[in-house]
Amino acid sequence: NAGVMQNPRHLVRRRGQEARLRCSPMKGHSHVYWYRQLPEEGLKFMVYLQKENIIDESGMPKERFSAEFPKEGPSILRIQQVVRGDSAAYFCASTSRGQGDSPLHFGNGTRLTVT
Amino acid sequence: TQLLEQSPQFLSIQEGENLTVYCNSSSVFSSLQWYRQEPGEGPVLLVTVVTGGEVKKLKRLTFQFGDARKDSSLHITAAQPGDTGLYLCAGRLNTNAGKSTFGDGTTLTVKP
Repeated sequence: NAGVMQNPRHLVRRRGQEARLRCSPMKGHSHVYWYRQLPEEGLKFMVYLQKENIIDESGMPKERFSAEFPKEGPSILRIQQVVRGDSAAYFCASTSRGQGDSPLHFGNGTRLTVT
Repeated sequence: TQLLEQSPQFLSIQEGENLTVYCNSSSVFSSLQWYRQEPGEGPVLLVTVVTGGEVKKLKRLTFQFGDARKDSSLHITAAQPGDTGLYLCAGRLNTNAGKSTFGDGTTLTVKP
């Protein structure tokens, strides 16, 4: 499967724990985007990364959330001290090049439930 | 305020009917995409439009980009139950790499 891979598919955390969401982009893709989706809503942009660089984090909450895309390995979205309001589906997408008409290829998401 | 407004939010129709979904903004986009999302899965790209006035067809789906590149529509002819899903429009403001901004989607249900 050469598509965008996200894991885990489902993640349950208690309030105060940490959540780590992983995303492996499509082969050959070096641009990664993270989005959050609440039920029956559209996707809200969180962060855009290239290898080892954060390009745009204007959608990231100022506290508890961080993202990285190391030279080797998957992109990681980390949520510290989770709260119930963090419960959502988190989607990762990748593109092959930095041009405006290149489409986003999405993974199937990680559904985070905070109890 | 939402950058991209989609309407209607929900649409329930009978098999065989036609429908149109709208995506409107006051901003000019360098490109606009339409995606379809099924429950439990990520959005899948249907089409990208980049030129004002552009019309693209994908079988029974017709996509139009407004002349001013501020709005778009998706028309489905003779809808089928397999068309059921969440339809999302997304636009990019810049020609360089950057985030896509999504509308809140239209949930379409086609009843047999």
